[in-house]
Amino acid sequence: EAQVTQNPRYLITVTGKKLTVTCSQNMNHEYMSWYRQDPGLGLRQIYYSMNVEVTDKGDVPEGYKVSRKEKRNFPLILESPSPNQTSLYFCASSDRVDYGYTFGSGTRLTVV
Amino acid sequence: QKEVEQNSGPLSVPEGAIASLNCTYSDRGSQSFFWYRQYSGKSPELIMFIYSNGDKEDGRFTAQLNKASQYVSLLIRDSQPSDSATYLCAVNSGGSNYKLTFGKGTLLTVNP
Repeated sequence: EAQVTQNPRYLITVTGKKLTVTCSQNMNHEYMSWYRQDPGLGLRQIYYSMNVEVTDKGDVPEGYKVSRKEKRNFPLILESPSPNQTSLYFCASSDRVDYGYTFGSGTRLTVV
Repeated sequence: QKEVEQNSGPLSVPEGAIASLNCTYSDRGSQSFFWYRQYSGKSPELIMFIYSNGDKEDGRFTAQLNKASQYVSLLIRDSQPSDSATYLCAVNSGGSNYKLTFGKGTLLTVNP
């Protein structure tokens, strides 16, 4: 089944403790992206990647890192999480972005 | 900051009626326009995309694009209770197809 898989689905962590949210797609898509979704603010793009080793900042990249060492994986790294990074995170992928992204199931992160 | 504006709703329609959802965007360079549906607690799901001025129909859904007026709309005919969800408008922005900017969404409720 074609899908974008994120792990974990739920995560509660403490301020300052480094964490990684994994994202993997099995569709051989070139383009991948991370979004966060917050009430009243909607979906905002954090980072995106056009191919292996090619990434760029979205609208809200502060406090996040990404890497794209393999085509299928695009992990999101929070080096020192803070409570304002509490959010619902979505990974997405596409083979042609002008056809839209396919989204993963989401990761609900709480930083206390 | 390029913007995508939607009425937050809620928009309430009776079963069988036509639901009309609207979206305006600020970036005149935008080329690709998308409608996503998001059920509560779920990930966004692509319904339609449109590039050219005019109408595009897919089953009960019709997307309409007017680049001169910078608006895109979604019509849902014969609305069903299962159509009750938040509808997100997304537009490529910044001259990049990889950078999708989302509106905050319109909550649609279809009453039996």
